[in-house]
Parts: sequence; structure tokens; C-alpha cells
Amino acid sequence: GAVVSQHPSRVICKSGTSVKIECRSLDFQATTMFWYRQFPKQSLMLMATSNEGSKATYEQGVEKDKFLINHASLTLSTLTVTSAHPEDSSFYICSAQSGTGDSNTEAFFGQGTRLTVV
Amino acid sequence: GQNIDQPTEMTATEGAIVQINCTYQTSGFNGLFWYQQHAGEAPTFLSYNVLDGLEEKGRFSSFLSRSKGYSYLLLKELQMKDSASYLCAVMDSNYQLIWGAGTKLIIKP
Repeated sequence: GAVVSQHPSRVICKSGTSVKIECRSLDFQATTMFWYRQFPKQSLMLMATSNEGSKATYEQGVEKDKFLINHASLTLSTLTVTSAHPEDSSFYICSAQSGTGDSNTEAFFGQGTRLTVV
Repeated sequence: GQNIDQPTEMTATEGAIVQINCTYQTSGFNGLFWYQQHAGEAPTFLSYNVLDGLEEKGRFSSFLSRSKGYSYLLLKELQMKDSASYLCAVMDSNYQLIWGAGTKLIIKP
């Protein structure tokens, strides 16, 4: 199946710094990418949807100035956690879909990034 | 509102069979997915159903009834490595995935 690569897999950063997470679709063009956050023992929570070349659509309650999403090309989307705080520590996962309006569109997931803010 | 329900936790014995149920209420339906997620890892795709009936794939099978808003994932010949969370997700009319909270499956020897 298709491969989505997410980097880094783990990152520890100091409070107040920014962290960038990359999500790449390696063998297909991802017109839509999704960013999720998962707290321990909880379901995936959709943070935002990004379409190549346009601004991301953020879910209610997600701060767009804190979680900057860029989808500059059909194979790369980035999530930057700005001025990170300990409460931002979480597991962040991206997923990519190759098209829209396709009833058989499967979401391919990156490996996830474990962010720890100290 | 949109809602996906599945049991929080289930326990089964190695070598046995277990069925994990999922009921949903969503705005539109464009398919139902089952994912497996081991602790600390991203989910991995198990199955996709968009038509009523049973889809079999090795030890795993998935069933869908659209009229009842119901699906189940059937795992046969359970192995210890099957201990994981199983996530049910429905693709709505906007082609976005609505996730259940996941079912933690514990396999005992």
C-alpha cells in the first residue's frame, strides 16, 4: 500500500520553543492531509485538514496561530507547534488521502510523533 | 450530532474468537474502516466496508449493515500480538473520518 512518512518519531523540546513535524507521502500525491492528536487512552482527535496550496481548515478549539500547518506541495505537509508548553505533549499523527470525492479513499497514516515538552 | 460507539475494553483467550461491535450515527456514509493500533504507534489499516455483508481477510473479518448503522470486526485464532486497540471509523458525506474511541483488546494465555 501507499506509504506516508512522518518525522521525527520522537522529540523532546524545552517549553517556549517551536517544533516542526513533517508528513510526506512517498509514492502518491496527497491532495488532502489530516493532522490528528491523541492523548493517552483516548481516540484520535482531528486538529485540522489541509489541502495543497490553500490554508488549512482547523477544528473548533484548535488554535491556528499555535499549530501552524503548511501544505506547500502534493507530497509534504508540516505541522509546527509554536511556543510549546507541557500541555502540548501528546502523540501527533498525520494521514494523507490521494483524492476527494472518492468513496473508496483510504487514509494512509504516518508513523506518529511523540512530542514531550519539558 | 455524529457518534461512533464501541466497547471500551474486551478480554479474550489466546486461540479463541472475539467480535468487536461498532454502531454509528453520521451525516452521510462513505464507508467504514477498522484500524489496529498498538500502544505508542500510529493506527494500521485492517479493513474497509462500504456495502452490506462480510469481508474476510485471513484471521480478520469485518461485517457491515448500513440499515442498522452497525459493524463488527471478528478476530479468529487469537494471538498474543493481537492485543491492541481497535478503532472503528466512518467516512461521512464530506469524506472525513469520524473516529470511535477505540476498543482495547486484552488477550490472555
